[in-house]
Amino acid sequence: DAKTTQPNSMESNEEEPVHLPCNHSTISGTDYIHWYRQLPSQGPEYVIHGLTSNVNNRMASLAIAEDRKSSTLILHRATLRDAAVYYCILSTSGTYKYIFGTGTRLKVLA
Amino acid sequence: DAGITQSPRYKITETGRQVTLMCHQTWSHSYMFWYRQDLGHGLRLIYYSAAADITDKGEVPDGYVVSRSKTENFPLTLESATRSQTSVYFCASSESRLARGEQYFGPGTRLTVT
Repeated sequence: DAKTTQPNSMESNEEEPVHLPCNHSTISGTDYIHWYRQLPSQGPEYVIHGLTSNVNNRMASLAIAEDRKSSTLILHRATLRDAAVYYCILSTSGTYKYIFGTGTRLKVLA
Repeated sequence: DAGITQSPRYKITETGRQVTLMCHQTWSHSYMFWYRQDLGHGLRLIYYSAAADITDKGEVPDGYVVSRSKTENFPLTLESATRSQTSVYFCASSESRLARGEQYFGPGTRLTVT
């Protein structure tokens, strides 16, 4: 199973954009890139996912490198409520398995 | 309540006892999953189910048993609890194959085995 590498922690100021990086150099052509976040004492929450093209939704944007070996989750204006652990996960079409890493703990400063 | 619920939310049990964690979802999602999360780690898949009466092992299935007689329920049983099974357990469901769809997670059950 392909794995991802993320920084352990990041900090951001409130109302500023946040770019959370993820490396997945062994990604295969059929692997989707998912981002989830986990707020304190809660279950993970879906943020966004994509395959090849950049994706936008109401929560965030996902920028995928042309070679797909890395991706970046973009929170356009961080709020205190965005403080969480963010997980970058790969899943292969036809399988049921998410391989969670340890994620990036995002701290948002007021 | 709509959504995905887990019970109990907290459980303390003794080594060797049987424990069942319950998971219920109201969306009629086909796919359901059980994960465990240990302190300082990400989630690891224990078992998953593609439909009623169809289950399969994940990364860490040893010591656990699942069943799925109804689409909406997916109980997880620890047949003989051990201290190493002290963890937070999350149930999740999905309406589509994993790669294309999002998973919805429950609030978790914190299990302590003494």
